[in-house]
Amino acid sequence: GAVVSQHPSWVICKSGTSVKIECRSLDFQATTMFWYRQFPKQSLMLMATSNEGSKATYEQGVEKDKFLINHASLTLSTLTVTSAHPEDSSFYICSAGGGASYEQYFGPGTRLTVT
Amino acid sequence: GDSVTQMEGPVTLSEEAFLTINCTYTATGYPSLFWYVQYPGEGLQLLLKATKADDKGSNKGFEATYRKETTSFHLEKGSVQVSDSAVYFCALTHYGGSQGNLIFGKGTKLSVKP
Repeated sequence: GAVVSQHPSWVICKSGTSVKIECRSLDFQATTMFWYRQFPKQSLMLMATSNEGSKATYEQGVEKDKFLINHASLTLSTLTVTSAHPEDSSFYICSAGGGASYEQYFGPGTRLTVT
Repeated sequence: GDSVTQMEGPVTLSEEAFLTINCTYTATGYPSLFWYVQYPGEGLQLLLKATKADDKGSNKGFEATYRKETTSFHLEKGSVQVSDSAVYFCALTHYGGSQGNLIFGKGTKLSVKP
């Protein structure tokens, strides 16, 4: 089946720094990529939807200047958490759509800890 | 707005026991319904889906029936295995596939003991 990778799988950074998370579709072209955030014992919350070559659409309440999303190619999307703070610590999950089955395929997630 | 409610976990069962994980939803119209499974260290994988009322999704021995009258999509398996230990998410979307906005429940962790 379709494979989506994320890098890094976990990252620790200091408050005030920026962190970039990559999401790649390894064996198909992803016309749409989604970024989710998951808090402990909570459901996945959609942060934004991005289509290749266009600006991301952010969900209400998500700061687009803080969570920068770039979908420059059909196989790569990046999420940059700018000026990270401890409250940004979370599990970030991407998914990619565009395969023949019209399903979303999920990456394994990235654990971000901001100290 | 739309929402999904799953039974709280964790659920601990012995091998070969019967499994039910309840899922109910609130949504306008006729959403498509999904169960995803997340094995330790891996991404979510689509387990099964149903796109209209009375549809039954099935895969790997798991089943779920789209019940419009009770707005439910309960996951069942007749005989669980240790390898079924994972977190299960119920989800809905208003798109036929799942490329639209997926709304997830909180997830239910299942542990199966030998």
